[in-house]
Amino acid sequence: DAGVIQSPRHEVTEMGQEVTLRCKPISGHNSLFWYRQTMMRGLELLIYFNNNVPIDDSGMPEDRFSAKMPNASFSTLKIQPSEPRDSAVYFCASSLRYEQYFGPGTRLTVT
Amino acid sequence: DAKTTQPPSMDCAEGRAANLPCNHSTISGNEYVYWYRQIHSQGPQYIIHGLKNNETNEMASLIITEDRKSSTLILPHATLRDTAVYYCIALQGGSEKLVFGKGTKLTVNP
Repeated sequence: DAGVIQSPRHEVTEMGQEVTLRCKPISGHNSLFWYRQTMMRGLELLIYFNNNVPIDDSGMPEDRFSAKMPNASFSTLKIQPSEPRDSAVYFCASSLRYEQYFGPGTRLTVT
Repeated sequence: DAKTTQPPSMDCAEGRAANLPCNHSTISGNEYVYWYRQIHSQGPQYIIHGLKNNETNEMASLIITEDRKSSTLILPHATLRDTAVYYCIALQGGSEKLVFGKGTKLTVNP
């Protein structure tokens, strides 16, 4: 298995632009997680899905952030409009039971 | 979930055992102790977890005290590739919400 796949790996955008991050979980996994990591705040859970249904989005910072999981093999995290403080590494993870498998992350820079 | 406390950094000589402590004095009876690590610029990686019995897998051993208020992750023969930030997390059974603290930065020296 290729593991969790995230795209793009790097994204540089200007403030105000829409950003879409993509994630393909490991086949057969039924839970999917979006995390954000910054130096200041560390690694934070933003939202997670179980069987494509959002279970907990309490970590989503504000209405500018939205996440979808239209099917078991694909999820997106969208930021609209983006702001410089959104600059971070965004990780996607998936799991079947107790072990979460993390993707390589997307490094987002908003200028 | 219970709060965990870890030293901010540790050093270990290559080939020696690395013993990483974690305090979780307020852990409840149904909370598991999970360990993940994050090698620089990579996503976190699951290592091991346990409830009250000691656990061992191909990566590490987890020793949980009888009162469950603390635990130790043991890497039996540390290599340079084990240099990473190690996170100890208390997680309620059935929950999937990992809460990462600051972890312990382990540096394995040649």
